[in-house]
Amino acid sequence: AQSVAQPEDQVNVAEGNPLTVKCTYSVSGNPYLFWYVQYPNRGLQFLLKYITGDNLVKGSYGFEAEFNKSQTSFHLKKPSALVSDSALYFCAVSGRRGSARQLTFGSGTQLTVLP
Amino acid sequence: DSGVTQTPKHLITATGQRVTLRCSPRSGDLSVYWYQQSLDQGLQFLIQYYNGEERAKGNILERFSAQQFPDLHSELNLSSLELGDSALYFCASSLEGEANTEAFFGQGTRLTVV
Repeated sequence: AQSVAQPEDQVNVAEGNPLTVKCTYSVSGNPYLFWYVQYPNRGLQFLLKYITGDNLVKGSYGFEAEFNKSQTSFHLKKPSALVSDSALYFCAVSGRRGSARQLTFGSGTQLTVLP
Repeated sequence: DSGVTQTPKHLITATGQRVTLRCSPRSGDLSVYWYQQSLDQGLQFLIQYYNGEERAKGNILERFSAQQFPDLHSELNLSSLELGDSALYFCASSLEGEANTEAFFGQGTRLTVV
């Protein structure tokens, strides 16, 4: 069965500093990887995805993520954090065949950007 | 605004009751997904429909059922409700429902069972 681990429940970073939200995954075969963000009392919003090709993926609001196949990781990054980036971030994985094609989400990481 | 509409936004009901959650997907999207978000279980996939047909089933209880109608809206029916069913229920939609495409989420229905 596929799984996603987000090892940090909470990440705090000062405004203007770079941020990283960690994600590792387990899936059979090559993965599809996604990052979503959830603001309070809102649904999840898609940020970016890795399907194939360049390991560095750029997404919305200045976020990017790096796919590392050997480390089975897909960490979310941003060079300069904003207070408005404070939210709950979810990493998700799906496989390419059969029942593995369904999205499996991590437990989420609460990002707080301090002014 | 994702374009996915869920109603109602909040629902409070008693144990043993039955409720129906409604979802209208984004215009043009053929696939609808239902997820349950709770503090202890996180975000769990329940079921997926594509153009009216069930495509995949996840951790959906037998007391729960769903369907997608010809106009592509979907309903999630929850019956014999228990306290543990209290959660945020999300609907999401995507164009073709393929694994490599992102889904767009509604704002959710917060269900409280008392």
